[in-house]
Amino acid sequence: NAGVTQTPKFRILKIGQSMTLQCTQDMNHNYMYWYRQDPGMGLKLIYYSVGAGITDKGEVPNGYNVSRSTTEDFPLRLELAAPSQTSVYFCASSPRIAGDNEQFFGPGTRLTVL
Amino acid sequence: RKEVEQDPGPFNVPEGATVAFNCTYSNSASQSFFWYRQDCRKEPKLLMSVYSSGNEDGRFTAQLNRASQYISLLIRDSKLSDSATYLCVVRVKSSGDKLTFGTGTRLAVRP
Repeated sequence: NAGVTQTPKFRILKIGQSMTLQCTQDMNHNYMYWYRQDPGMGLKLIYYSVGAGITDKGEVPNGYNVSRSTTEDFPLRLELAAPSQTSVYFCASSPRIAGDNEQFFGPGTRLTVL
Repeated sequence: RKEVEQDPGPFNVPEGATVAFNCTYSNSASQSFFWYRQDCRKEPKLLMSVYSSGNEDGRFTAQLNRASQYISLLIRDSKLSDSATYLCVVRVKSSGDKLTFGTGTRLAVRP
């Protein structure tokens, strides 16, 4: 199993550009999550999904959108990139309820918005 | 007050030393507790869950004190490979089962 994969690994965007961060897991996990991690800060939950077709906002959803059309994929969309979105983005998955199961993280996408 | 607070460190210790990290949480409704490890520029990985009675995994011991709302991690006989950031993680069931991450404590083990 590849686990959780994310693409791209790095990206530089100009202010106002859009992009999609890809996340795929091959563990048949129901739950998937998007976090951002800023320097010296804890991971902040952006969006999460408890299954295909179901998504919900986390702590910091503004400026982002998600979709979950399949169990495997959970892309994160940035519509109008802003410097405040410069961060490292981690996708994670877990079999069911987060607290009762380990979350498996992807390797991250480092995004810089200039 | 932050939901989960950790001393950022760094803790610089020699190989073979014993080192302990504490973490405090503010929400008394917190139900599940974990330590994750994050290597430099890598993703977090689960190190161990923390149970009410305390638990041990090799050189690592985790303790939970619900009355004082803190969690601890003890590392014995530190190895160079233990150098990483240790994230304290808490789950509050009433908040939709989401996890709340501390900012992490950095450990550097020197030869």
